Amino acid sequence: AQKITQTQPGMFVQEKEAVTLDCTYDTSDQSYGLFWYKQPSSGEMIFLIYQGSYDEQNATEGRYSLNFQKARKSANLVISASQLGDSAMYFCAMREGTKTSYDKVIFGPGTSLSVIP
Amino acid sequence: DAGVIQSPRHEVTEMGQEVTLRCKPISGHDYLFWYRQTMMRGLELLIYFNNNVPIDDSGMPEDRFSAKMPNASFSTLKIQPSEPRDSAVYFCASRAWRDADTQYFGPGTRLTVL
Repeated sequence: AQKITQTQPGMFVQEKEAVTLDCTYDTSDQSYGLFWYKQPSSGEMIFLIYQGSYDEQNATEGRYSLNFQKARKSANLVISASQLGDSAMYFCAMREGTKTSYDKVIFGPGTSLSVIP
Repeated sequence: DAGVIQSPRHEVTEMGQEVTLRCKPISGHDYLFWYRQTMMRGLELLIYFNNNVPIDDSGMPEDRFSAKMPNASFSTLKIQPSEPRDSAVYFCASRAWRDADTQYFGPGTRLTVL
């Protein structure tokens, strides 16, 4: 069963506008972590933001914020004031908290974001 | 810090040849991960090490793949013999035990098997 679902294969946003990239996840664990990574066309994987399942506040890092809705099992990434350099693939990922799989991070299929001038 | 270092950045080889990919994790990091990225399967975890010991290799596709970590600053992923379906980008990542929230990725090795 798919653990991480990203339903938007491709997204477009106007420069300076905000955009939300969707992510839903599936886990029966109480303790887990959610991540977002950015992969520009150059290929490197860049860590953006992390949300722990017990964190009460939504994580924020500069222009990135994670809209965490635990009951819905969603962890959407919001990018405010989009810039041309935000054009990239974005991956949602989850680390489950079980003893044997604690260090495994499972990645979603990704969403391709294109920022239009 | 220099970040995670991978070599080579690009590798083109012929089917049947042995391929060795190399990774130097960030100094002080206790965990090392090998991932493979393809269009069809996305980003998959192949194997990870903790303190140089392989913990989970359930993602290694078959016996042609092997990985070693002889010391804290070096790991290899070997494919022998290589096949065209092994063509992918192979990433190495590392993290410190106290920082479970973040894995730092290397630039990747783009492998093409002809």
